[in-house]
Amino acid sequence: EADIYQTPRYLVIGTGKKITLECSQTMGHDKMYWYQQDPGMELHLIHYSYGVNSTEKGDLSSESTVSRIRTEHFPLTLESARPSHTSQYLCASSGFGSGGYEQYFGPGTRLTVT
Amino acid sequence: AQKVTQAQTEISVVEKEDVTLDCVYETRDTTYYLFWYKQPPSGELVFLIRRNSFDEQNEISGRYSWNFQKSTSSFNFTITASQVVDSAVYFCALSEAPTTDSWGKLQFGAGTQVVVTP
Repeated sequence: EADIYQTPRYLVIGTGKKITLECSQTMGHDKMYWYQQDPGMELHLIHYSYGVNSTEKGDLSSESTVSRIRTEHFPLTLESARPSHTSQYLCASSGFGSGGYEQYFGPGTRLTVT
Repeated sequence: AQKVTQAQTEISVVEKEDVTLDCVYETRDTTYYLFWYKQPPSGELVFLIRRNSFDEQNEISGRYSWNFQKSTSSFNFTITASQVVDSAVYFCALSEAPTTDSWGKLQFGAGTQVVVTP
């Protein structure tokens, strides 16, 4: 059973606000990821981390930033939200376990910027 | 470069029919990993199965079965006797071997929407 949590689940916020999407996992996984996805559409990797103090940009350019100060925590921040940021944001983690490298996903945050 | 193709955008079936989802992949690696995920309307992605490139044994889990064929670079997924609860978007994904710098990253296909009607 995967234990990865995201808060908030839903967020409606006005343009220009600063927001932080939280993601935590209790599995001790070293790798964590952020994806952006429009409903039912492809997943786009926007950030990933291979461990504490390691962050990299993903395949899709994003104005968001991330930090990895603790193994279990990988928050995503938007300094100034815009309507184009409206999307679902999914956090995932992976690590060595039973020989596999599957990623386990959180429930997602559905962000709407008005 | 890696690529995952799910050519079927949407499949609609009536309950109890079987449905097969196609997944074709491209990779230069000899060691790689393939995955299937399910995304129900609630939005979360649920891990279903992982298959290693060196293990071509097919697998059955309840009503789910997977057919991995390296010769055709395919990893197809069949739901037998579909149920309304199977309605979801299903994603196929590919991961490189851990010897590369970008290992652990998943390359997802575009997904296939499965609609099961009563």
